[in-house]
Amino acid sequence: EVQLLESGGGSVQPGGSLRLSCTASGFTFSNYAMNWVRQAPGKGLEWVSTISANGGSTYYADSVKGRFTVSRDNSENTLYLQVNTLRAEDTAIYYCAKGFRSSWRGFFDYWGQGTLVTVSS
Amino acid sequence: EIVLTQSPGTLSLSPGERATLSCRASQSVSSNYLAWYQQKPGQAPRVLIYGASSRATGIPDRFSGSGSGTDFTLTISRLEPEDFAVYYCQQYGSLPPLTFGGGTEVEIK
Repeated sequence: EVQLLESGGGSVQPGGSLRLSCTASGFTFSNYAMNWVRQAPGKGLEWVSTISANGGSTYYADSVKGRFTVSRDNSENTLYLQVNTLRAEDTAIYYCAKGFRSSWRGFFDYWGQGTLVTVSS
Repeated sequence: EIVLTQSPGTLSLSPGERATLSCRASQSVSSNYLAWYQQKPGQAPRVLIYGASSRATGIPDRFSGSGSGTDFTLTISRLEPEDFAVYYCQQYGSLPPLTFGGGTEVEIK
């Protein structure tokens, strides 16, 4: 059974940083691209970032480029999102989602339950 | 950037009725790489349809997807009580960014 478990969310002041983690099990982690998607309170889904299966390619939404960094440790079956210089508009539930393929070109076939990031002074 | 516009914003229907949800893209979606997701309150999204018309594993056959190019449709043939939720389309043929539509809420009339 595929499982994705996010952690690392919390409450932080504007300008602060967090490191989100997503621990995966139930599939061969190193074979699939992984993604971060966020959802602000009461709003729709927003794609944040994608990393290819081997970690060699990364992609970001313009809204987070230069502030967020995605990475993965295939030996630990873990996906990360380093979020820096946080703004109020980054407040959201952050979901990790498994890609259907090794590259970015796949839909998201499994999702974690999300971790909440709140940015407020 | 491909913008996805979903309509209607809210669909008020009764159990047993047919639901037709629309997703229109601002430009052609490469290889019809269009997925549909369902999200219930307090839950993560789950994939229903990928490649515009292929049902994901375990999805009941009352859910069907159709369309190509810029116009796509999700149809729920007969609404069950558990189908009342928010539905999102997503294109995964062009990056960046991968884009989601704004969502359609299917509510009980």
